[in-house]
Amino acid sequence: DTGVSQDPRHKITKRGQNVTFRCDPISEHNRLYWYRQTLGQGPEFLTYFQNEAQLEKSRLLSDRFSAERPKGSFSTLEIQRTEQGDSAMYLCASEDKTNTEAFFGQGTRLTVV
Amino acid sequence: RKEVEQDPGPFNVPEGATVAFNCTYSNSASQSFFWYRQDCRKEPKLLMSVYSSGNEDGRFTAQLNRASQYISLLIRDSKLSDSATYLCVVNSNSGYALNFGKGTSLLVTP
Repeated sequence: DTGVSQDPRHKITKRGQNVTFRCDPISEHNRLYWYRQTLGQGPEFLTYFQNEAQLEKSRLLSDRFSAERPKGSFSTLEIQRTEQGDSAMYLCASEDKTNTEAFFGQGTRLTVV
Repeated sequence: RKEVEQDPGPFNVPEGATVAFNCTYSNSASQSFFWYRQDCRKEPKLLMSVYSSGNEDGRFTAQLNRASQYISLLIRDSKLSDSATYLCVVNSNSGYALNFGKGTSLLVTP
């Protein structure tokens, strides 16, 4: 499968725990995005990487959230001290230099109990 | 005001009907415009890009009005398989992020 891959697909965690999600973009896509989507809403932008550089972060990305893309390939999104309001689908997307289409992974569904 | 606003929907239409979705955006400097489709519990997928001159892809026609900051999507001869949520997408102030509308739900019925 050469699409965007996200792991895990589902995560249930207790409030206050830390969680980390992984995204493997399409090979050679230098642009990578993280989005969050809740029921009935469109995806909300969280952060953007071009290669290993994090070039933009949304105001939604509080200090409990951190994202990395250490070698310009896969990326991780960590949420510390999870809260019930963090429950959502976390989507990763990648795009090549032509900027014509962002391809999304199937997402990681986080449930904080 | 949200950066991208869409018709609230849902739209329930019979097979064969023509349906139109509208979207407005707030950033007049936006340069890239798209319609994405999202099936229930699936990831969004690009339906079509939207160009200034308007563009058509089979039964789907997209229009852009920069002066009014308005984007539309027309679906002709609706099929059952067109049932999905349609997301209007515009690039952000920075030019990096894609800003999504809330989406408009379409249900095509037999």
